Amino acid sequence: DAGVIQSPRHEVTEMGQEVTLRCKPISGHDYLFWYRQTMMRGLELLIYFNNNVPIDDSGMPEDRFSAKMPNASFSTLKIQPSEPRDSAVYFCASSFEQGDSNEQFFGPGTRLTVL
Amino acid sequence: AQSVTQPDIHITVSEGASLELRCNYSYGATPYLFWYVQSPGQGLQLLLKYFSGDTLVQGIKGFEAEFKRSQSSFNLRKPSVHWSDAAEYFCAVGAIGSYIPTFGRGTSLIVHP
Repeated sequence: DAGVIQSPRHEVTEMGQEVTLRCKPISGHDYLFWYRQTMMRGLELLIYFNNNVPIDDSGMPEDRFSAKMPNASFSTLKIQPSEPRDSAVYFCASSFEQGDSNEQFFGPGTRLTVL
Repeated sequence: AQSVTQPDIHITVSEGASLELRCNYSYGATPYLFWYVQSPGQGLQLLLKYFSGDTLVQGIKGFEAEFKRSQSSFNLRKPSVHWSDAAEYFCAVGAIGSYIPTFGRGTSLIVHP
């Protein structure tokens, strides 16, 4: 398996523009997570899905952020409009139910810079 | 709710020296515990995990960790550090039946030649 795939790897955009980050989880995994990593706040869980259904989006910072998972192999995180404080590395991770196991598999991340 | 504390933000060691990274957790029952490593520009990779059984857990890349219930700790160790071990290390705790681990703030490991 290729692991969790994220695109793009780097994104530079201007304030006010819409940004869409993409994620393909590992096949067969039924949980998908979106994280944001910054120096100031560390690794933050934004939202997670189970079987394509959003379960907890309490970590989404504002209404400018939205996430979808239209099918088991694809998810997007959208920021509209983007702001400089959204600059961070965004990670997607997936996992599967194996008894009580909750090991997560991370993608390589998308480094977002908002100018 | 569970929580994790990694008291050391940075650790500097010389290549070949031994390493111990500290992790303390808070959880009311026996937790699931993990150590992840993040190399520069990469995502997090699982080093090892503890669910039950032997409290000394062996992981990849020569790392091990020991679960000490009395101290609520899960410290990561390596007997001899290599320059390639320079990275960010995250401890995480999960509750039984939950698929949402809580991550610590991470410890940055610097290795001097």
